[in-house]
This record gives sequence, C-alpha cells and structure tokens, in this order.
Amino acid sequence: GQSLEQPSEVTAVEGAIVQINCTYQTSGFYGLSWYQQHDGGAPTFLSYNALDGLEETGRFSSFLSRSDSYGYLLLQELQMKDSASYFCAVRSQTGANNLFFGTGTRLTVIP
Amino acid sequence: EAGVTQFPSHSVIEKGQTVTLRCDPISGHDNLYWYRRVMGKEIKFLLHFVKESKQDESGMPNNRFLAERTGGTYSTLKVQPAELEDSGVYFCASSQGPEKQYFGPGTRLTVL
Repeated sequence: GQSLEQPSEVTAVEGAIVQINCTYQTSGFYGLSWYQQHDGGAPTFLSYNALDGLEETGRFSSFLSRSDSYGYLLLQELQMKDSASYFCAVRSQTGANNLFFGTGTRLTVIP
Repeated sequence: EAGVTQFPSHSVIEKGQTVTLRCDPISGHDNLYWYRRVMGKEIKFLLHFVKESKQDESGMPNNRFLAERTGGTYSTLKVQPAELEDSGVYFCASSQGPEKQYFGPGTRLTVL
C-alpha cells in the first residue's frame, strides 16, 4: 500500500521559519509535490522535487531525500496569509500522473 | 489565462438522486484529473483523462460514478444514484505535464 505522513497541525509566529515534514511509503516514486489550500479554496501548487536536494522559490523551499523517503517544506518570513493547509503528494506510478496526497498539515500563523 | 473552473460550486441532493459535476480545464491541457476530499481526510485520486481517453480510473469507488470527457475538452462526473458517503468536495485538476497540476475551486456535494 501507499502512505504519507505529515503533522496534522503546526503553529508558528509571524516572521518566523517553519518546516513541515513528510515521510512516504510507496511502491514506486517519481516525485514529491507540495500544495497549499486555504479554507474553501483550491489546492495551489507550490513545488515539485523529483531529485534529491533543495528547491527554492521565494520564501518557500522544498527538500527531498529519496533514500530516506522524506521531504519537507520550509516557509520563511511567515506572513499571516500563510495560514492554510499544506499537503505533500507523491507521484508513484510510471505512466500515471495521479497524485497520492497526505492528510495535510494545518498551519496557523500567529502575531 | 483562465484557470480550471467547476460547476456547480455547491450541490445538495437527496440519497438516490443523480448529480452531474462539470469541469472545464485550462485550455490546451491534455491531462484532466478528478479528486475527492471527504470531510477531514486526504484528497483522493479518482481518475485521469488524457484528452478524451481514460488513462487511469483506479480511484473510482464503484460503478455509481461515471466520468466522461467530451472531445478532450470539458469533463463531467455523474453520480447515480448518490449515497450518503458520496458527500465531500470534488476537485478537478488539469496539467500539461505530470509535475504541476492546476486545481479548480471544487464542488461541495452534500447528500442528505
């Protein structure tokens, strides 16, 4: 079977840095994605890692270690608008694009 | 560039009725996906179209669900007859390649 684990909730202070971890168990692996979803909104793509290492996009960075089946999303200079749910998702099947999602991490940014 | 659109945004129906959800992908995206999120749980894959062909429908829960994609453009997802456990938010997404999927705002389905 497949499983992804991420913390259910994280709280951090405005201006701080927060890391959201994701560990996965899948029969195959072709990439790890991160999506942000505000309440009532659509999941929005943040990043994609197919190879080991760190990908940086503005205040957000994502890291992958395939040997450890582990990745994380790093959010810097937190803003109140970053309060949302963050999902890691794995593409695990060759020839298939479908994503297998984790249960999401609810991030609350406090003043 | 217009994003993925879904209709309706909300639907409330009674058990046993039929509901049809519609998704219009981003123009030029051959890949179209349906996902579902049941209250508090993860977003689950339902199926994947490449143009008008079903590439993968392994996530469809049962034969009460029927998806079509006419001419490789918009897609519909019909639930017939609806059951209580079908309640949730149905998301459509589209993409050119596999890495980045663009999601629509979802249809919130409530079956009473």
